[in-house]
Amino acid sequence: GAGVSQSPSNKVTEKGKDVELRCDPISGHTALYWYRQRLGQGLEFLIYFQGNSAPDKSGLPSDRFSAERTGESVSTLTIQRTQQEDSAVYLCASSPPQGAIYNSPLHFGNGTRLTVT
Amino acid sequence: AQTVTQSQPEMSVQEAETVTLSCTYDTSESDYYLFWYKQPPSRQMILVIRQEAYKQQNATENRFSVNFQKAAKSFSLKISDSQLGDAAMYFCAYRSAEKIIFGKGTRLHILP
Repeated sequence: GAGVSQSPSNKVTEKGKDVELRCDPISGHTALYWYRQRLGQGLEFLIYFQGNSAPDKSGLPSDRFSAERTGESVSTLTIQRTQQEDSAVYLCASSPPQGAIYNSPLHFGNGTRLTVT
Repeated sequence: AQTVTQSQPEMSVQEAETVTLSCTYDTSESDYYLFWYKQPPSRQMILVIRQEAYKQQNATENRFSVNFQKAAKSFSLKISDSQLGDAAMYFCAYRSAEKIIFGKGTRLHILP
């Protein structure tokens, strides 16, 4: 079956521009996560959705970052006025509802590599 | 707050040999799950193995096994008969009802 799909796979943008990153989770997965991974580093939690609501936004690094999710499916992560420090791979993952079946692993997309020049 | 620590940023092992990657965690919760993920250069995160905290028996998946020591809060990954395709970043992860936390990763090199 289809896995988690992220687009674009690569994005190069100029400093100061806004970017939108898209994630299509596995159908039926109500939990959705965004992570940031800088080169050679670990996964930095950004935000978690349960359905359309975001009970945990604690990882968003600044008010330039925002995310939304519609219809318990697609999510977009928006970065406004991009900075060079935003360059990283942005990974999306989905899972059955956390708290109900939390033995389920996260299913990851291939990520979007963002380069800010 | 829960934390996950992988103390080995990089490791190397000779092909066909056995290697153990360490992971420790800190939590006050009693019910949780632990996972090891592999991230090859393609950057796709792949589940390697999972362990339920309430189970004493160590999980195994083919050449991969864990040594789960709940009292010590340790969850190491053993890879037997290492193969070139095992070269990747390996992440340990902790999942409870409220959150999922990853360690910083261990980069594993396989020497031919």
